[in-house]
Amino acid sequence: ETGVTQTPRHLVMGMTNKKSLKCEQHLGHNAMYWYKQSAKKPLELMFVYNFKEQTENNSVPSRFSPECPNSSHLFLHLHTLQPEDSALYLCASSRLPLAGGNTGELFFGEGSRLTVL
Amino acid sequence: LAKTTQPISMDSYEGQEVNITCSHNNIATNDYITWYQQFPSQGPRFIIQGYKTKVTNEVASLFIPADRKSSTLSLPRVSLSDTAVYYCLVGGSVTPTDSWGKLQFGAGTQVVVTP
Repeated sequence: ETGVTQTPRHLVMGMTNKKSLKCEQHLGHNAMYWYKQSAKKPLELMFVYNFKEQTENNSVPSRFSPECPNSSHLFLHLHTLQPEDSALYLCASSRLPLAGGNTGELFFGEGSRLTVL
Repeated sequence: LAKTTQPISMDSYEGQEVNITCSHNNIATNDYITWYQQFPSQGPRFIIQGYKTKVTNEVASLFIPADRKSSTLSLPRVSLSDTAVYYCLVGGSVTPTDSWGKLQFGAGTQVVVTP
């Protein structure tokens, strides 16, 4: 138990569906992140939120839309995805933002396994 | 960007010590070195973090030479359950222009422990 909870753990969706991934951290952290991990590939950083403000976007396609309503919750809204978007989506948090004293200690959730048909 | 380089894979037997070296030639003065462990279909888990010399906890030891251009994660007496991918991540207080690279993981090292 890392204090970061992701739901759902598994999701299967069609290319025309709209779904959302949810992440909640119970650690009182101030920064949250979305990573994508495809099969046999390194983790790819997608989005960074510091104090609820999005500070980084790694040129992610617009079919992925993040939302951070407060410092404890992070969503990833999905629509009109492609089969190549099938991957493990990982949420992480850190006590401090990276440009605000964080030394690289990230707390990850268990991930949401997404399959796009 | 503080790019890291690790061996792709390492094999070991139970009870042996495993040492994984990570190269980070462009490490900045304020950067810390953090190691993570990841099992299949799970998120990475923090193992150990250090800035210089040696750090030890109940799970592993981290050796960092004086020039800090590399670091070695040492797993003592590994068991089958230590089979996983191990990542080193270099990060620290940075300016906004290069913060992105500090959160990027490399390919990691697949460690396989056999009986």
